[in-house]
Amino acid sequence: DSGVTQTPKHLITATGQRVTLRCSPRSGDLSVYWYQQSLDQGLQFLIQYYNGEERAKGNILERFSAQQFPDLHSELNLSSLELGDSALYFCASSASGGETQYFGPGTRLLVL
Amino acid sequence: GQNIDQPTEMTATEGAIVQINCTYQTSGFNGLFWYQQHAGEAPTFLSYNVLDGLEEKGRFSSFLSRSKGYSYLLLKELQMKDSASYLCAVFFNKFYFGSGTKLNVKP
Repeated sequence: DSGVTQTPKHLITATGQRVTLRCSPRSGDLSVYWYQQSLDQGLQFLIQYYNGEERAKGNILERFSAQQFPDLHSELNLSSLELGDSALYFCASSASGGETQYFGPGTRLLVL
Repeated sequence: GQNIDQPTEMTATEGAIVQINCTYQTSGFNGLFWYQQHAGEAPTFLSYNVLDGLEEKGRFSSFLSRSKGYSYLLLKELQMKDSASYLCAVFFNKFYFGSGTKLNVKP
């Protein structure tokens, strides 16, 4: 158990819908990262937050947004969902930035 | 961006040694990580290199050459449970992950 929690574990929704994925980092970690992993693909970095502020941005679509709250949990919002958004979405946390990341169990999203 | 190269797939025999290579662009490098990921599960941390040389941790070792933009993960005494994908990641102000090397361990 990495100490990073993600909810929900599974999510099935329809095209055009909007979903919110939630992540709670390990106790004491200030940085949260979001990744997308499609079937048999590598990890695609989406975005990083540090202590509530956006720190780095990767290949995140405009339909996607994220935020980190004062209690350091983070949410990833995916809107106008398309079939191609079906993937595993991982959250990871680290103490500040650039150190070892610890990954949550992931949210498996299926868009039908 | 960053171009991180790893072999797509490798096969080795139980009890053997296997080396998984990773290359990256050198400028602005701040650290290199190796993660193990079993199918459908989250990546788990294996090793971290920021200085040149070999870091040994039980059956797993990781080597880094910063001047060459090269790292390898060495797995000794392979076990069936080592069948997984191995991800190389580099940190240059943000993290870049390679596509992963799928290792198949055969009896």
